Amino acid sequence: AQKITQTQPGMFVQEKEAVTLDCTYDTSDQSYGLFWYKQPSSGEMIFLIYQGSYDEQNATEGRYSLNFQKARKSANLVISASQLGDSAMYFCAMREGRGSGNTGKLIFGQGTTLQVKP
Amino acid sequence: GAVVSQHPSWVICKSGTSVKIECRSLDFQATTMFWYRQFPKQSLMLMATSNEGSKATYEQGVEKDKFLINHASLTLSTLTVTSAHPEDSSFYICSASTGFGNTIYFGEGSWLTVV
Repeated sequence: AQKITQTQPGMFVQEKEAVTLDCTYDTSDQSYGLFWYKQPSSGEMIFLIYQGSYDEQNATEGRYSLNFQKARKSANLVISASQLGDSAMYFCAMREGRGSGNTGKLIFGQGTTLQVKP
Repeated sequence: GAVVSQHPSWVICKSGTSVKIECRSLDFQATTMFWYRQFPKQSLMLMATSNEGSKATYEQGVEKDKFLINHASLTLSTLTVTSAHPEDSSFYICSASTGFGNTIYFGEGSWLTVV
């Protein structure tokens, strides 16, 4: 069975500094995708970054980068130059890939609440 | 970009009544839609997966007779919470997909309060 683990319930970071949010996963599939989402208090799920299991380069999207360590089954999110607007809940998620019986469902970790201090 | 619209954003209903939440893909056809439930400060829990024209696949522990999911077209899926009770109060959010990989898009979510 697939599993996603985020071990940091809450994190603080000083404005303009970088922060790393941890995520480990477990799957027996060879094909899968890893996502990070930001969820502000409004509830919407804001897509940040995606890494496919076969992608050799770490994904980057602006201030977001994903530190993908396949052998360790980790997919940490790095936010550089934190801003006050980055304060939110962050979810790591894993999507099963194309395979027999797979529906492509997305499962989520427990989430990390990030607070950026001025 | 791909847009998924969810309606209503907020709904308050009386205990014992049913409430329907719609999830529409506005500019693409979704082969699969997913429904999630989220309690405050907790993670999103997958409730069910639905494909157009077929019965939804429910996750273990989700009552299919209570949470009715209909996926009548490639652009619309509905979740009906039947005989709602206060413990059904939660945030419900849908996502729609056009395939595998990075092809999944979320609606804005619906806050349900049962009084």
